Amino acid sequence: EDKVVQSPLSLVVHEGDTVTLNCSYEVTNFRSLLWYKQEKKAPTFLFMLTSSGIGKKSGRLSSILDKKELFSILNITATQTGDSAVYLCAVDLINNAGNMLTFGGGTRLMVKP
Amino acid sequence: EPEVTQTPSHQVTQMGQEVILRCVPISNHLYFYWYRQILGQKVEFLVSFYNNEISEKSEIFDDQFSVERPDGSNFTLKIRSTKLEDSAMYFCASSDYRGQAFFGQGTRLTVV
Repeated sequence: EDKVVQSPLSLVVHEGDTVTLNCSYEVTNFRSLLWYKQEKKAPTFLFMLTSSGIGKKSGRLSSILDKKELFSILNITATQTGDSAVYLCAVDLINNAGNMLTFGGGTRLMVKP
Repeated sequence: EPEVTQTPSHQVTQMGQEVILRCVPISNHLYFYWYRQILGQKVEFLVSFYNNEISEKSEIFDDQFSVERPDGSNFTLKIRSTKLEDSAMYFCASSDYRGQAFFGQGTRLTVV
């Protein structure tokens, strides 16, 4: 059975801290790994990673993928209260369908002022 | 910025009733999806739709569920006879060939 596991389940930090969120996976037919931010409702796309060692960066957020060890991390530096959300990791499987995402349970991040 | 829109935002229905959830995907996207998230649980894949037919579906997507693209813009999910356990947030998503799925704001379905 395909599995995506995120850790920690939740995290409370103060503004300015740096956080690292983890995602490990065991799936067949891996195509890519995606990170989403879920605030109130819709998951908002952050990154898509397909190759090991080639990270993605957008502002204070960055992410890398290790296809040998089957994990990814999402880093957020200089956290702000607006970063408070649930961060979702999802693995896309090779299929006929564009996306077929298997999600992890998410990490709930709370950033205190 | 283009976005996926869903209506209604919240739907309450009686057990056994049929519901139709509506979505307008991003206009140049070719792949359309439905996911659901039961309160406190993971987001789960239901179905994908491409070229006017279902491409993949999960075990959750049984005979009670159907999808349709009735015209050039709308994409619908129908649940024929709702059960209490169908209560969830239903997300529509769409993607282009690159595979980055963009999600709508969701429809919260409450079955009473």
